[in-house]
Amino acid sequence: NAGVMQNPRHLVRRRGQEARLRCSPMKGHSHVYWYRQLPEEGLKFMVYLQKENIIDESGMPKERFSAEFPKEGPSILRIQQVVRGDSAAYFCASSLERGTYEQYFGPGTRLTVT
Amino acid sequence: GEDVEQSLFLSVREGDSSVINCTYTDSSSTYLYWYKQEPGAGLQLLTYIFSNMDMKQDQRLTVLLNKKDKHLSLRIADTQTGDSAIYFCAEKGADNTGKLIFGQGTTLQVKP
Repeated sequence: NAGVMQNPRHLVRRRGQEARLRCSPMKGHSHVYWYRQLPEEGLKFMVYLQKENIIDESGMPKERFSAEFPKEGPSILRIQQVVRGDSAAYFCASSLERGTYEQYFGPGTRLTVT
Repeated sequence: GEDVEQSLFLSVREGDSSVINCTYTDSSSTYLYWYKQEPGAGLQLLTYIFSNMDMKQDQRLTVLLNKKDKHLSLRIADTQTGDSAIYFCAEKGADNTGKLIFGQGTTLQVKP
């Protein structure tokens, strides 16, 4: 049973470009969480999605960031017109059920904006 | 609001015990967690404790929870160089979404 998969593992974008980060949850998991880790900091919650639904986006910046988890395929975190401050590690976690105590994390995507 | 605090750095000698501390503010937290992050890697769930428990032991790991003081600790017995990593404390938020609130992480350095 493969774990949570994220790709790409490293992504370099110039200012103003778009970044697309993908997350495939563990098999059978239909709940996905995205977290951002800025350098030297802990993880901050961004958004929680269930298949085809955004449940909680209270941690998402108001502009340029969006997330989706379609019926088929991976969850996507999209950052439009990236700025240097978006440089961070973005982690995805998945769980089997809503509110369950176990969340399994992927290896992360490290975004560098030049 | 919800907040989790940890000390930033701990250095121990190989073979000693390590104790990493964490305080949290949300008294309605149901689960508290310890995650380990090695350089350039994702987070590995080490252990968790339910809020109605005081202690949980799992091999070399012992978690102590003082709910009155909102204090959580992780003790690693017989610390090895492979234990060098960043350790994150996290609480499950008060709502039922399952989102986790993380501390800023404690870097554990194990000297041979």
